[in-house]
Amino acid sequence: AQSVTQPDIHITVSEGASLELRCNYSYGATPYLFWYVQSPGQGLQLLLKYFSGDTLVQGIKGFEAEFKRSQSSFNLRKPSVHWSDAAEYFCAVGGGGNKLTFGTGTQLKVEL
Amino acid sequence: DAGVTQSPTHLIKTRGQHVTLRCSPISGHKSVSWYQQVLGQGPQFIFQYYEKEERGRGNFPDRFSARQFPNYSSELNVNALLLGDSALYLCASSLEASGGAPDTQYFGPGTRLTVL
Repeated sequence: AQSVTQPDIHITVSEGASLELRCNYSYGATPYLFWYVQSPGQGLQLLLKYFSGDTLVQGIKGFEAEFKRSQSSFNLRKPSVHWSDAAEYFCAVGGGGNKLTFGTGTQLKVEL
Repeated sequence: DAGVTQSPTHLIKTRGQHVTLRCSPISGHKSVSWYQQVLGQGPQFIFQYYEKEERGRGNFPDRFSARQFPNYSSELNVNALLLGDSALYLCASSLEASGGAPDTQYFGPGTRLTVL
């Protein structure tokens, strides 16, 4: 069965600092990987996805993620965080079809 | 274009009651998926429908059912509500129901269900 682990429940960074959110997945075959962001009272917005090819993928809002098969990881990064990035971030894995398995999320707080 | 819409926004029910949640996908999208998000957790997959047929089902009891209409909108029904059914119910739509790589899913704002 596929699963996703997001080890950090909460992360606080200063505005302008760099950010890395960790994601580890478990899946027997080639995974399809996603990062979503959820602001309070909002649905999920797709930041980026990895299906194949270049292991460094660029997304919206200046986010990027790197797929590392040897570490079963798909960490999300941003070089300089803005106050508006404060939200909850979810990593998800898909194994074919539209079913996604999500991690428990990382709540990002940005200090001004 | 309008995104995925869900109704109602909030709902309060008591244990044992029945609830129906509604979802309208993005125009042109034929697949709808439902997810349950309990407070403090990530969304959990409940159902996927495509062209009115069930294409996937998560690990939820038979109290949960859904259907998709000819206009591709969808309903999620939950019978005999339990306190543990309190959650945010998210609907996601996509163009197709891929058997391979997942089609990009667009999520609605959700319906917040509280069971007392």
